Amino acid sequence: GDSVTQMEGPVTLSEEAFLTINCTYTATGYPSLFWYVQYPGEGLQLLLKATKADDKGSNKGFEATYRKETTSFHLEKGSVQVSDSAVYFCALSELNNDMRFGAGTRLTVKP
Amino acid sequence: DVKVTQSSRYLVKRTGEKVFLECVQDMDHENMFWYRQDPGLGLRLIYFSYDVKMKEKGDIPEGYSVSREKKERFSLILESASTNQTSMYLCASSGTSGRREQYFGPGTRLTVT
Repeated sequence: GDSVTQMEGPVTLSEEAFLTINCTYTATGYPSLFWYVQYPGEGLQLLLKATKADDKGSNKGFEATYRKETTSFHLEKGSVQVSDSAVYFCALSELNNDMRFGAGTRLTVKP
Repeated sequence: DVKVTQSSRYLVKRTGEKVFLECVQDMDHENMFWYRQDPGLGLRLIYFSYDVKMKEKGDIPEGYSVSREKKERFSLILESASTNQTSMYLCASSGTSGRREQYFGPGTRLTVT
């Protein structure tokens, strides 16, 4: 079945460092791909998405490109801030409405 | 903006109690979902519903049931709470277009003692 694997955390960075969180997927069809963010004590919020190969999703300085050849959707940000500290989830969805989530990666950004 | 609300942010119950978790969405979404979130395990789907009075089991339905009497409301029921059901419970909803994103509520942290 469909699945998502993302890099294990926790990840600790200094402010203004470059961020990469790796995400790879396994799917039978042509899924849409998502990154969600969960701030402490809150539910998940959609951060960005991509619906087809080579699409780039972007929001709040974060980017991820749908790479069909490597089945990947890595999250990147050029310069992280303390306020980016959160848990990040990679997810995929196919036409059957089911959404599969990775285990989550906790990011801590230190001033 | 889509708004998904959950009846409680924090809940403490005793073993054996019947527990109701309520979720309401205001965007006329057809699909609603209940997940539990545990450290290191990500989100696991308990039940989902594509329409009023309709329900489907997810990956971990044991010990849970659901009710969807109205389109905007989806309830999760723990018939007899146990300590291994201590967790964060998240409700989500989505519309009918293909491969659609889900919108989440703030979560209910349930502790069963």
